[in-house]
Amino acid sequence: QMQVQQWGAGLLKPSETLSLTCVVYGGPFSGYYWSWVRQPPGKGLEWIGELNHSGSTNYNPSLKSRVTISAEMSKNQFSLKLSSVTAADTAVYYCATHSYDASLRHYDAWGQGTLVTVSS
Amino acid sequence: QSAVTQPASVSGSPGQSITISCSGTSSDVGSYNLVSWYQHHPGKAPQLIIYEVNKRPSGASNRFSGSKSGNTASLTISGLQAEDEADYYCSSYAGFWVFGGGTKLTVL
Repeated sequence: QMQVQQWGAGLLKPSETLSLTCVVYGGPFSGYYWSWVRQPPGKGLEWIGELNHSGSTNYNPSLKSRVTISAEMSKNQFSLKLSSVTAADTAVYYCATHSYDASLRHYDAWGQGTLVTVSS
Repeated sequence: QSAVTQPASVSGSPGQSITISCSGTSSDVGSYNLVSWYQHHPGKAPQLIIYEVNKRPSGASNRFSGSKSGNTASLTISGLQAEDEADYYCSSYAGFWVFGGGTKLTVL
């Protein structure tokens, strides 16, 4: 059974850098995609970006200039950094992992979500 | 920002089947067999129920099924149950992933 736990600061001031980290429990897996998704209050889901088992990253073009997703694969941990935050970045941030094993069975697990509020 | 369109709401009675559409373009839904569907109960984490158009991940109910025709993907939920009441999001690959605006399912 795969589980994900996330943590990070929930209150930021404008221009600061958002930093969140997730750890994935379970496996082993042949491959995986570690991603970040956010949901502003009262709005839908927005994909932020992902990092795969090869270490390649892919970002939402609208956030690409401010986003970095990195990982310590030996610890099954991955992190999100979003620079120069504004009130528009206020949202619940989720980390998620989509993995598959040697039998190509696919698994999905999400962190519990972190409400990040940007306010002066 | 969303370039993928879903109906804002759908409803159905217990035991019925409902279908949610996900309309995109030839640059996203129509270009790749990479459409996912997520169930999201407010206050909880989303859950993947369909990936690669019509495949179910481990643990997903077989009452969920997916399909695609041209630039439109669809999620069908059969044998509606009260616990299915939630928000449903499609996501399509377009060089990066794009979520639809979400559909609120009400079980009458």
